[in-house]
Amino acid sequence: EVQLVESGGGLVQPGGSLRLSCAASGFTFSSRWMNWVRQAPGKGLEWVANINTDGSERYYVDSVKGRFSVSRDNAENSLYLQMNSLRVDDTAVYYCTRGATWVGIDYWGQGILVTVSS
Amino acid sequence: QSALTQPASVSGSPGQSITISCTGTSSDIGAYNHVSWYQQHAGRAPTLILYGVTNRPSGVSSRFSGSKSGNTASLTISGLQAEDEADYYCSSKTSGITLVFGTGTTVTVL
Repeated sequence: EVQLVESGGGLVQPGGSLRLSCAASGFTFSSRWMNWVRQAPGKGLEWVANINTDGSERYYVDSVKGRFSVSRDNAENSLYLQMNSLRVDDTAVYYCTRGATWVGIDYWGQGILVTVSS
Repeated sequence: QSALTQPASVSGSPGQSITISCTGTSSDIGAYNHVSWYQQHAGRAPTLILYGVTNRPSGVSSRFSGSKSGNTASLTISGLQAEDEADYYCSSKTSGITLVFGTGTTVTVL
């Protein structure tokens, strides 16, 4: 059974940093593109970033470029999202997801809440 | 990277068919046959119901079907059931290897 479990969320002040982790199991992690998708409270889905199988390619939505960094550790079956210079409008549930953009996102974690507030 | 446009809400009676549109541009929906649809029940993570415009993952009901014409994709739910009440999102590959989601549609079963 595919499982994606996020951790590392919480409350942070504007300008602060946070690192999200995602533990993957039930599939060959090293052979799959992975993504982070977020959803602000009461709002729609927003794709944030993705990373290819060996970590050599990474892509971001314009609003997080230069502030967020996606990475992976295939030996640990883990995906990460380093978030710096956080803003109030980064407040959202962040989902760890599996899938390349050309085949769709086929598995989602349960999501973890990140709240940016003073 | 503007969001794809979906109607805010669509409703129908049990047994009816409804269609949700998803309008993009020649840089996303119009350029690729990489449109997916997701269902999200309240308080839950989304689940994939269609990919590659028309393909259903294993276990997804055949009542869900998709199509695409030009810059617009559509999701049709036939034989509407109470359990179909949820939010629905489309997505499309864009230039490069990025992804864009639709604005979301709330389906109400009357």
